[in-house]
Amino acid sequence: QQQVKQSPQSLIVQKGGISIINCAYENTAFDYFPWYQQFPGKGPALLIAIRPDVSEKKEGRFTISFNKSAKQFSLHIMDSQPGDSATYFCAARDSSYKLIFGSGTRLLVRP
Amino acid sequence: DTAVSQTPKYLVTQMGNDKSIKCEQNLGHDTMYWYKQDSKKFLKIMFSYNNKELIINETVPNRFSPKSPDKAHLNLHINSLELGDSAVYFCASSQARQGEQYFGPGTRLTVT
Repeated sequence: QQQVKQSPQSLIVQKGGISIINCAYENTAFDYFPWYQQFPGKGPALLIAIRPDVSEKKEGRFTISFNKSAKQFSLHIMDSQPGDSATYFCAARDSSYKLIFGSGTRLLVRP
Repeated sequence: DTAVSQTPKYLVTQMGNDKSIKCEQNLGHDTMYWYKQDSKKFLKIMFSYNNKELIINETVPNRFSPKSPDKAHLNLHINSLELGDSAVYFCASSQARQGEQYFGPGTRLTVT
């Protein structure tokens, strides 16, 4: 119940394309869903986050879509750029404020 | 003007040794965390402190002992290191338990 399942494990997209990463969860007590971006040799950095009372949040080229009934959320990266190549993690926060991370998606954007 | 810093960045040591990793944040946050990222990139919380009080203690071997001398520092001491302890350890901080978490650059620990 504390798991967050993330897919795909890796993703290759052409420059200018849309990158889509999906996550699913079981615990309905999760109340906050952030996405983190991690470059090689660096720590994860918060990219965008959403709360379950909102179905979509957009910040620049990054959009989270949230489907509460399906217990799924996804990250869309529009107009993907080579600089977006990184590992992306979804996460969910439980009632003890603990972040449960997905297994990560390695994104490669080809020029 | 680094927000969350960790030392050392790399740590190579032999099995059975004891080592420490230090973490400092200059964001004025009151909550700090230690995470472990394994070779498959899986990121899992180990400990969390709020105002120097331990609030999250996952099922981590008691060879791992966190210490928070003040709100800006959270150190991780590991006794009797084992091969399976090899990983990247991240420190993070947030303002309050529900605040956005800021991660440090990580410490890559290799146990030989």
